[in-house]
Amino acid sequence: EPEVTQTPSHQVTQMGQEVILRCVPISNHLYFYWYRQILGQKVEFLVSFYNNEISEKSEIFDDQFSVERPDGSNFTLKIRSTKLEDSAMYFCASSAQRYEAFFGQGTRLTVV
Amino acid sequence: ELKVEQNPLFLSMQEGKNYTIYCNYSTTSDRLYWYRQDPGKSLESLFVLLSNGAVKQEGRLMASLDTKARLSTLHITAAVHDLSATYFCAVVTNTGNQFYFGTGTSLTVIP
Repeated sequence: EPEVTQTPSHQVTQMGQEVILRCVPISNHLYFYWYRQILGQKVEFLVSFYNNEISEKSEIFDDQFSVERPDGSNFTLKIRSTKLEDSAMYFCASSAQRYEAFFGQGTRLTVV
Repeated sequence: ELKVEQNPLFLSMQEGKNYTIYCNYSTTSDRLYWYRQDPGKSLESLFVLLSNGAVKQEGRLMASLDTKARLSTLHITAAVHDLSATYFCAVVTNTGNQFYFGTGTSLTVIP
């Protein structure tokens, strides 16, 4: 069964460093998303991406975040200068239609 | 901002018992989703409810949606230990495509 894959599964980085989280969505999907979940809390929307541009973003998705679909298969989330509070599980999701989402297994980001 | 509230937040129940988890949301939507999350794992899709009155069942879980009351329920019948997990509901607005997740219900089934 096709699935969304994310790499790495766990990333440890120093505060102030840049990180790139990678996702390979399901191949015929058109909508792409990033969500995050701080430990023990609910899942929060960051950004959605369709037709090579951001279609929605939340207040969390400030100037330190960016997304890219560099080669038609990968979908990346870049955090420019990480802060301690960026430590969370980051989930990528994709869908063929607007009203569904298939989630990857997540990348646990730890900022030290 | 759309608010999605679940209750209870924590639920400890004995095997064999029945219980219902509630999900209330604050704006018009006729698309509601239930996910299961095991500790440290991703979100597993359980149910997609796309219209008022929708009811879906899978094994010991049954989900329903009342869009007029802005309420969805996840009913657990004769709970077993394997159902222990955190359950999230999520709502998509009629105009957008982002998922708004509830606070989650952490379910522990005790033998």
